[in-house]
Amino acid sequence: AQSVTQLGSHVSVSEGALVLLRCNYSSSVPPYLFWYVQYPNQGLQLLLKYTTGATLVKGINGFEAEFKKSETSFHLTKPSAHMSDAAEYFCAVRRGPSVLWIKAAGNKLTFGGGTRVLVKP
Amino acid sequence: DAGVIQSPRHEVTEMGQEVTLRCKPISGHDYLFWYRQTMMRGLELLIYFNNNVPIDDSGMPEDRFSAKMPNASFSTLKIQPSEPRDSAVYFCASSLGRENTEAFFGQGTRLTVV
Repeated sequence: AQSVTQLGSHVSVSEGALVLLRCNYSSSVPPYLFWYVQYPNQGLQLLLKYTTGATLVKGINGFEAEFKKSETSFHLTKPSAHMSDAAEYFCAVRRGPSVLWIKAAGNKLTFGGGTRVLVKP
Repeated sequence: DAGVIQSPRHEVTEMGQEVTLRCKPISGHDYLFWYRQTMMRGLELLIYFNNNVPIDDSGMPEDRFSAKMPNASFSTLKIQPSEPRDSAVYFCASSLGRENTEAFFGQGTRLTVV
């Protein structure tokens, strides 16, 4: 089974400041990891994903995240916050590569509780 | 592609009434998911389908909830009878059945049961 913990349900940052959103996961097998963003009254949109390969992943809108297996973390960062970054952010985990991937519930995403970001001018 | 399409976007109904939410996945996607989002419980997976077959419905809260996928391009989530605690935003998502792919979400249906 997989689970995701996002530290901090609300984060407030000043425009131009660093954005850091924390995500820790639990998985019995190597995971695939995702960050989604949700703007008000919208669906979820993919920001970036880690599947295999480079552990530092770059996404849209200047965001990036680093997969750290030893820390079971996948924190999301952006060097300089913009007003348009105000939204809710969700970290998600899915079962990674496995011989039994297709037969198991491999395609199911498990989400964290979300972090709402407020950007102050 | 137009993305995942859900209808209606908003639904207000009275307690006890039947509610049907609709979803059209992205063409070619073979997985379809129904999620519910509330302030208290966050995003919960209700049920998902692979090639139109329900794979895991362990998240469906009660027998009042049912979901169908009669073909690859259409799915419904039905609540009968509806209760005020069912008020939430319901999302449909679809994805390809490959290991490194993400799920694409619809805009959601905001359900209010009064």
